[in-house]
Amino acid sequence: DILMTQSPLSLPVTPGEPASISCRSSQSLLNSDGYNYLDWYLQKPGQPPQLLIYLASSRASGVPDRFSGSGSGTDFTLKIRRVEAEDVGVYYCMQGLQTPYTFGQGTKLKI
Amino acid sequence: QEQLVQSGAEVKKPGASVKVSCQASGYNFMDYYIHWVRQAPGQGLEWVAFISPKSGDAKTAQRFQGRVTVTWDISINTVYMELSSLRSDDTAVYFCARDESSMLFPGGNWFAPWGQGTLVTVSS
Repeated sequence: DILMTQSPLSLPVTPGEPASISCRSSQSLLNSDGYNYLDWYLQKPGQPPQLLIYLASSRASGVPDRFSGSGSGTDFTLKIRRVEAEDVGVYYCMQGLQTPYTFGQGTKLKI
Repeated sequence: QEQLVQSGAEVKKPGASVKVSCQASGYNFMDYYIHWVRQAPGQGLEWVAFISPKSGDAKTAQRFQGRVTVTWDISINTVYMELSSLRSDDTAVYFCARDESSMLFPGGNWFAPWGQGTLVTVSS
């Protein structure tokens, strides 16, 4: 199985400041088609996860442009340009390259 | 509005089975894979299985093989996940999620939207 490791696990932030979350995979997520099969999800308290980023850097429909994803191979980053209060929750990366699809442990962002 | 609505919470005894439903609306049910993901209390996310209502293509995570059965009913746009031989560590919220990549980028494996989740509690 591909192991996904996130850091930090807890991220205190101040509204208006930037934030960054790292995700590393135990195997390259770069497929032969040139795409990295890495997604980012946010799970707000008491809600199901919601898709933020797919294929490492493509923003999902309706996601504010303050969210951006980057990286390739085994190292990926989710950045929030200016954190807002509504961004509180747990952020997960997930590899969609091979089954079983696996998630990182989650990073709890708190204001 | 594209959405998935899941069945209500269940309480089961060890050794029993549970069947969770996930009804789709607002889109063509046949065109998208459905995945099941679970979350134990206070824990992270764990992928369980997927099914294609169109082709019947299905796969289950190795650790659940033999215990998970995923089926579907096209007439009511519903996918079911049945988990048998329940143990206390199967206590979790079970989510269904649509594979949004199914139409534009088959095999992409990104999930949206998600169902609201179904809490399954296994306790004697």
